[in-house]
Amino acid sequence: DAGVIQSPRHEVTEMGQEVTLRCKPISGHNSLFWYRQTMMRGLELLIYFNNNVPIDDSGMPEDRFSAKMPNASFSTLKIQPSEPRDSAVYFCASSLSSGYSPLHFGNGTRLTVT
Amino acid sequence: GNSVTQMEGPVTLSEEAFLTINCTYTATGYPSLFWYVQYPGEGLQLLLKATKADDKGSNKGFEATYRKETTSFHLEKGSVQVSDSAVYFCALSETGANSKLTFGKGITLSVRP
Repeated sequence: DAGVIQSPRHEVTEMGQEVTLRCKPISGHNSLFWYRQTMMRGLELLIYFNNNVPIDDSGMPEDRFSAKMPNASFSTLKIQPSEPRDSAVYFCASSLSSGYSPLHFGNGTRLTVT
Repeated sequence: GNSVTQMEGPVTLSEEAFLTINCTYTATGYPSLFWYVQYPGEGLQLLLKATKADDKGSNKGFEATYRKETTSFHLEKGSVQVSDSAVYFCALSETGANSKLTFGKGITLSVRP
């Protein structure tokens, strides 16, 4: 099992640029989650999908953030335009849609916006 | 709403010391409880879980007991190793489909030789 795959591992960009983060969940998992981790705020849930449908996007900070899941094996998180305060580690996680099913996390994308 | 409170960190221990990391929760229903661990440069991974009151989750020498009366799920290990150095997160999930995890802020554990 390849696990959850995220790309890129590191992204450095200038303020105002568009950033796209990518995630491939574990095959067979039907729930997908995007988290953001910072020292100040800890781990924050941004959005999650079930069967490719967004269920809860209340954690998305503002309209600059958008997420899509066009099929069961791929999701993107886009920030446009990016700002320095978006600098964080962004994690994607997947699971079976069950309260007992654990989340499997990718290794994250470290985003730095200068 | 649901919330998870972890003790303030960081925690530094010597190898073979006893570890306790406190975690309490607030939930409207009957949640499942989890401990996740994050090693440097990696994502979180499940350490152990308990799905109902009085259940004990255990893995790699770590244990935690689901205490409904005190709404707690404290993590313990009798003898820590340097390789246990990581960030530990307590989390809860309401049961049922489309449930999501609520995480605590995490605590950094450093174990020195």
